[in-house]
Amino acid sequence: DTAVSQTPKYLVTQMGNDKSIKCEQNLGHDTMYWYKQDSKKFLKIMFSYNNKELIINETVPNRFSPKSPDKAHLNLHINSLELGDSAVYFCASSQPGISYEQYFGPGTRLTVT
Amino acid sequence: GDSVTQMEGPVTLSEEAFLTINCTYTATGYPSLFWYVQYPGEGLQLLLKATKADDKGSNKGFEATYRKETTSFHLEKGSVQVSDSAVYFCALNNAGNMLTFGGGTRLMVKP
Repeated sequence: DTAVSQTPKYLVTQMGNDKSIKCEQNLGHDTMYWYKQDSKKFLKIMFSYNNKELIINETVPNRFSPKSPDKAHLNLHINSLELGDSAVYFCASSQPGISYEQYFGPGTRLTVT
Repeated sequence: GDSVTQMEGPVTLSEEAFLTINCTYTATGYPSLFWYVQYPGEGLQLLLKATKADDKGSNKGFEATYRKETTSFHLEKGSVQVSDSAVYFCALNNAGNMLTFGGGTRLMVKP
């Protein structure tokens, strides 16, 4: 029973391409997130959705567009990929008001060549 | 804004050694504090948490106490194992939807 799942696990693509990463959670949580982890392991939040509505949008290029078709899914679409987009992207979910702990997916390692 | 500072790694220890990873935070109000662990090639897993001052979180032999007076949440374990080798992240949530992470500390335990 995978609580938070992401696909694909690895993604290798060329500069200029458009790609998507999918995330699903089966925990019944209302809030989902995307984080970016760089090569030095530094984690930074990108977006947060609560019940399909965007609530956090950190300083992220508008080439990144999250989409939440329902509260169990939060996908990340990236246009015109650049070398600097290479990172590991983590999806997470939480239920607000319950100790604020977040549950993370296994990550998607994106490599842009 | 809120911030979390962790000791830089890597921390290299021999098996059965005592572990301390320091974490201090800056935040207004009364944040909840967390330690997450990331094993090689995996996502983050919640290791332990504390939601108010003087609370002690514990799990798998790891402990951390929420010290408001020193704004700290240091992670400790009395006897580390090779299987504890991972990256450890201290984080806080200040009554919102966002986790603020420290920079992570890599722990390497040698047999």
